[in-house]
Amino acid sequence: GQQLNQSPQSMFIQEGEDVSMNCTSSSIFNTWLWYKQDPGEGPVLLIALYKAGELTSNGRLTAQFGITRKDSFLNISASIPSDVGIYFCAGLNMDTGRRALTFGSGTRLQVQP
Amino acid sequence: DVKVTQSSRYLVKRTGEKVFLECVQDMDHENMFWYRQDPGLGLRLIYFSYDVKMKEKGDIPEGYSVSREKKERFSLILESASTNQTSMYLCASSSAEIYSGNTIYFGEGSWLTVV
Repeated sequence: GQQLNQSPQSMFIQEGEDVSMNCTSSSIFNTWLWYKQDPGEGPVLLIALYKAGELTSNGRLTAQFGITRKDSFLNISASIPSDVGIYFCAGLNMDTGRRALTFGSGTRLQVQP
Repeated sequence: DVKVTQSSRYLVKRTGEKVFLECVQDMDHENMFWYRQDPGLGLRLIYFSYDVKMKEKGDIPEGYSVSREKKERFSLILESASTNQTSMYLCASSSAEIYSGNTIYFGEGSWLTVV
C-alpha cells in the first residue's frame, strides 16, 4: 500500500524551543492531515490541508502542504509541556478511490520543562 | 460532540481464541475504519467500510475479518488470535464526504494482549 515517511522518529526538546517535523511520500496526496495522540488516547486532528502550497496555522502550530503534493511539514513554536505526545501525518488521495487515510509512523515529542 | 466508542479498553486473550472488538459511533457516519498501532509503525489500516454490509481490505487484513450489520457499529474479529496480533487497535469514523474535509474521528483505542 501507500507509505508515508515521517521524521524525525522522536524529539527531546526544552520548553520554549521550536519544533519541526515532516512527512514525505512517493505518491501524490490530495489532502494532508496532522494528528496528535496523547498517551492512552486516540489521535485528535490538529490541522487539515487541502491545496498544494497551502500554509495553515492553528495557534502555535503551522503546517504546509508541499507544492509537489508529496510532502508536508508541521511546526510547533514555543513548545510547552502539554505538547508532549505522538504526532502523526496522514494523507488521502481520492484519485485512487481509497477512502481511507494513510498514516506516517509518528514523531514522539518530549518536552523538558 | 462526535463520539466513537470502543467497547473494551484492555483485553488479554489466549492464543487461538476468537476475539471481537466492537466499535460504535453516534454521528450517523457512513465510513468506519479499523487501524492497528504499533511502535515505530504508526497506524496501519486493517479494514474499512463505507456502508452497511460493505467492507474493503486495508493494508494488513490477514488474520482479521470485520462485520458491519448496522450503520453505527463496526466489529473487528480475530478468528484465531496469535501473539503477533498483540497491539493497540483504533476504530474511527467519518462522513461520506471525507474529500470535503470532514474529519475522521477516533475512539480511545483497545489494547489487546495475546498470550
